[in-house]
Amino acid sequence: AQSVTQLGSHVSVSEGALVLLRCNYSSSVPPYLFWYVQYPNQGLQLLLKYTSAATLVKGINGFEAEFKKSETSFHLTKPSAHMSDAAEYFCAVNRGGTSYGKLTFGQGTILTVHP
Amino acid sequence: SQTIHQWPATLVQPVGSPLSLECTVEGTSNPNLYWYRQAAGRGLQLLFYSVGIGQISSEVPQNLSASRPQDRQFILSSKKLLLSDSGFYLCAWSPPPGRGEYFGPGTRLLVL
Repeated sequence: AQSVTQLGSHVSVSEGALVLLRCNYSSSVPPYLFWYVQYPNQGLQLLLKYTSAATLVKGINGFEAEFKKSETSFHLTKPSAHMSDAAEYFCAVNRGGTSYGKLTFGQGTILTVHP
Repeated sequence: SQTIHQWPATLVQPVGSPLSLECTVEGTSNPNLYWYRQAAGRGLQLLFYSVGIGQISSEVPQNLSASRPQDRQFILSSKKLLLSDSGFYLCAWSPPPGRGEYFGPGTRLLVL
């Protein structure tokens, strides 16, 4: 079984500061890992994904995440926050081992960016 | 490119009324399709998934049902809505065998 834990339901940063959103996973098989962003009243948009290739994954909007097997982590970072980054972010793991691609999501982290 | 559509965007329904939410995908064939519900403060809950026409798997017992009458059409239904059915319903698709899911814009349902 797979699970995802996002540490911190709310993260607040100043514009221009580093963004760090934490995600730890549990998986009985090599996982595929994903980060999604959700703006208010919208669907989820895929930011980036790790599918067993390079451990440092670059995504859209300047975000990147590093897969660390020893730490079972897949933290999301961005060097300099922008006001438009304010949204809710979800980490997810593919249940794997099947052809269905079902994802297990974390509870989400709301990112607030202050001017 | 692929696109996914959901409608309606917003729906207000009385308790006990029926429900039909529709999701369609363009630009791909034989996608895996998913229905999720997002309730306030409760994250995303997978309700149903489908790997082909007429093939529906339910993740949790509930007041809802799903159907896939065509390859790129996925419908979420209920015969009688409950207050607890309120939430934000998201449809998603993935190319088999599944490397991440792509979400529609969602339908916000309020049951009064």
